[in-house]
Amino acid sequence: ETGVTQTPRHLVMGMTNKKSLKCEQHLGHNAMYWYKQSAKKPLELMFVYNFKEQTENNSVPSRFSPECPNSSHLFLHLHTLQPEDSALYLCASSQESTGMNTEAFFGQGTRLTVV
Amino acid sequence: GQQLNQSPQSMFIQEGEDVSMNCTSSSIFNTWLWYKQDPGEGPVLLIALYKAGELTSNGRLTAQFGITRKDSFLNISASIPSDVGIYFCAGQLSVDYKLSFGAGTTVTVRA
Repeated sequence: ETGVTQTPRHLVMGMTNKKSLKCEQHLGHNAMYWYKQSAKKPLELMFVYNFKEQTENNSVPSRFSPECPNSSHLFLHLHTLQPEDSALYLCASSQESTGMNTEAFFGQGTRLTVV
Repeated sequence: GQQLNQSPQSMFIQEGEDVSMNCTSSSIFNTWLWYKQDPGEGPVLLIALYKAGELTSNGRLTAQFGITRKDSFLNISASIPSDVGIYFCAGQLSVDYKLSFGAGTTVTVRA
């Protein structure tokens, strides 16, 4: 069983395209997260969802739009991205987003290249 | 999130060596986590620490939660080639339980 699954693994898109990243977790967790990982930088938290409700948006540009239809699925809709948005986008889940059980389990990531 | 200072940034290992890395912060943490990330993959949780002073092992890996609750270290004993990768520390802040990540330690095998 793969706990957190992300698709696609790789994505190349033009600056005028619209695409979506998908994440699914099979761990029965209630919190899901999007992180951005750029070379030589710490992981940047983008969005947090707890019980399907967005609880955190870390000043992410509106060209990134998250969607969480249920506790098991998380999407990141992308439109009019810039080349500097190229990065590894990681989805994670945890039992909860606050309190004691916030150990995050990560998916394999989507390597995004904006051309 | 709060700044976590992870060091060293990178290291070269010889097979069989013991290696050590650490994370420090000016903030107090409730939980310390250590992850490993292989190229092209997501981070995988190695060890979780929940109490100040706690020492936990996972095979050849040993991690400790510092007594001051502001630091943690990870040791790898008798390293093998598959230990290469990027190791991240993460701390859960005591004030808001948010996770902060270090910038990572890149471990490479010395030729």
